Amino acid sequence: GEKVEQHESTLSVREGDSAVINCTYTDTASSYFPWYKQEAGKSLHFVIDIRSNVDRKQSQRLIVLLDKKAKRFSLHITATQPEDSAIYFCAASSNTNKVVFGTGTRLQVLP
Amino acid sequence: GPKVLQIPSHQIIDMGQMVTLNCDPVSNHLYFYWYKQILGQQMEFLVNFYNGKVMEKSKLFKDQFSVERPDGSYFTLKIQPTALEDSAVYFCASSFGQGWNTEVFFGKGTRLTVV
Repeated sequence: GEKVEQHESTLSVREGDSAVINCTYTDTASSYFPWYKQEAGKSLHFVIDIRSNVDRKQSQRLIVLLDKKAKRFSLHITATQPEDSAIYFCAASSNTNKVVFGTGTRLQVLP
Repeated sequence: GPKVLQIPSHQIIDMGQMVTLNCDPVSNHLYFYWYKQILGQQMEFLVNFYNGKVMEKSKLFKDQFSVERPDGSYFTLKIQPTALEDSAVYFCASSFGQGWNTEVFFGKGTRLTVV
């Protein structure tokens, strides 16, 4: 079955810098790649997604890149702010509807 | 935006007792899911459910687990009997479609504590 690896378990950046979180997946049938944010003690909050028909998507300060050949996707958070501090989960999904999550990256934005 | 509601937010239960976790999915959604997250760890897929049937389940979905959505009401996860290792946060999710249309919406979770 699909396996999603999230390479950075923790990441610290200075406020205003960019943060990059990298994920890889194994199933070539995966076509949908959402990213979720989880603040302490709270649920998952959808932040952005990318589908396999594009290789880049931007929403305000968030950019996701998808490299289907390398089976790699990444989340770039530009101009980071303290409220970006959270755990970020990447995920992958194919036609089976099963969303497989990465292990999470704890992002800390330092003042 | 669309919301998935989970009731209750926290439940404490004695080991061996039965527990039912309730989920009110987004109203026009057709696919329903349960995920388990042990504190500070990864979200793990348990099961997905469509058209009244379990479509796929993981190894974590033990024989003591069952799901149903009678008459379009709550989508429920029942654990009978509960064990200590069932303590976790259980997230319900729903989506309208699959594959290309799979945007999955999650509830806020039910924290289950088995004592």
